Amino acid sequence: ELKVEQNPLFLSMQEGKNYTIYCNYSTTSDRLYWYRQDPGKSLESLFVLLSNGAVKQEGRLMASLDTKARLSTLHITAAVHDLSATYFCAVQGGSEKLVFGKGTKLTVNP
Amino acid sequence: GAGVSQSPSNKVTEKGKDVELRCDPISGHTALYWYRQRLGQGLEFLIYFQGNSAPDKSGLPSDRFSAERTGESVSTLTIQRTQQEDSAVYLCASSLAGAAYEQYFGPGTRLTVT
Repeated sequence: ELKVEQNPLFLSMQEGKNYTIYCNYSTTSDRLYWYRQDPGKSLESLFVLLSNGAVKQEGRLMASLDTKARLSTLHITAAVHDLSATYFCAVQGGSEKLVFGKGTKLTVNP
Repeated sequence: GAGVSQSPSNKVTEKGKDVELRCDPISGHTALYWYRQRLGQGLEFLIYFQGNSAPDKSGLPSDRFSAERTGESVSTLTIQRTQQEDSAVYLCASSLAGAAYEQYFGPGTRLTVT
């Protein structure tokens, strides 16, 4: 059974700092997604990672995938308050459904 | 174009009542998914439709939960004899044709069982 673990679950950081969120999964993955969720809102797709070594960047966020280690990272560079949200990774592994991590609640303080 | 829509956005019901939640997928999307998100948690898969058939119902938590889909259009998730533990946000997603395509999520229905 595919399991997805994210850490940390809570992250409080200062504006301007860098940090990394980790997503580990237990079995072979076809693809991995990162989503952002603002309070009371639905999920916004950030990145889709398909292959080993894939790296994607959008603004201050960069996601990477290591399929051998079954690890994806979401790196935040020079955080700003607007990045405060909950970030989920989700893995699609050999079936139609996505298996989600529990999410990382990010708070960026001035 | 229009995204995935869901109705109602909020539903408060008494324990023991039945509820129906509706999802309108993106036009042309053959695959449709239902997920549940409990407070402070990630999303749990409930059921997947390809067209109007449901090849994977493995996430439905009990026989009180059922879902149907009309063709490649609207889907309804029905919860019978609601319990307090059913309180959650129910999210619907659709994709063009299944696993190889990205899922697009609706705004969700927040269900509160009192």
